[in-house]
Amino acid sequence: GAVVSQHPSRVICKSGTSVKIECRSLDFQATTMFWYRQFPKQSLMLMATSNEGSKATYEQGVEKDKFLINHASLTLSTLTVTSAHPEDSSFYICSASPGTYSTDTQYFGPGTRLTVL
Amino acid sequence: AQTVTQSQPEMSVQEAETVTLSCTYDTSESDYYLFWYKQPPSRQMILVIRQEAYKQQNATENRFSVNFQKAAKSFSLKISDSQLGDAAMYFCAYRNTGTASKLTFGTGTRLQVTL
Repeated sequence: GAVVSQHPSRVICKSGTSVKIECRSLDFQATTMFWYRQFPKQSLMLMATSNEGSKATYEQGVEKDKFLINHASLTLSTLTVTSAHPEDSSFYICSASPGTYSTDTQYFGPGTRLTVL
Repeated sequence: AQTVTQSQPEMSVQEAETVTLSCTYDTSESDYYLFWYKQPPSRQMILVIRQEAYKQQNATENRFSVNFQKAAKSFSLKISDSQLGDAAMYFCAYRNTGTASKLTFGTGTRLQVTL
C-alpha cells in the first residue's frame, strides 16, 4: 500500500525558533498534500491544502505567515512553524493524495509531535 | 459548511462481541463520500471503510460494516467479533465530490475492548 512518512516524529524547540516538518510520499507521486493539526483528545483540523508547484490554500483562521507550506516536488511537502510559541504545541499530521479529485484516497503520515518550551 | 457529529465520546465492548459507533452529518450535497478512520495509540490514521453516497448498498470490509441511511444523514459503523486490536479512536469523516475536496472529521469515539 501507499506509504507516507513524516520527519521528525517528535521535536522540542524553544519559543521563538522555527521548526520544519517534512512529509514524503514514498511510493507514489502526491499531487495534493494536506496538513492537519490535532490537539490532545480532539479531532483533526485541516490547516491547509497544497498542490505541487502551487501556493497552498489555507483554511480560515490559519495564519499563512506563521505556518509556511512548501510543496516543491511530487513527493515532498514541508510545513514550517515560524517563531513558534507554546500554544503551537500540537500533533501535526500530513496526508498525501495521488490526485486532486475526491475519488483519490488520502494516505496519512504517522504525525509529528511538536512541543514548544 | 458540512459538519460531522459523533455523539459517543467513549464506547466499550467485550472481546468477540459486536459494537456500533454512531455518526451523523449535515450536507446539502447529494453526492459525497463518507469514511471511518481508526487512530490507534500510535496516532497513525488508518482507513477502515469508505461509502459512496450514490451507492445504496452498505459497504463491508471483513468484520467492519456500515449502516448508511442517506435520508437520515446517518452513517454508523458496526464492528463484529471485536478484538483487542480494535481498541482505538474512531473518526467519522465526510468528503465532497469534485476537485480540491477536503475531509471533514467528527470529534471521534474512543473504543475500549475488554476481555
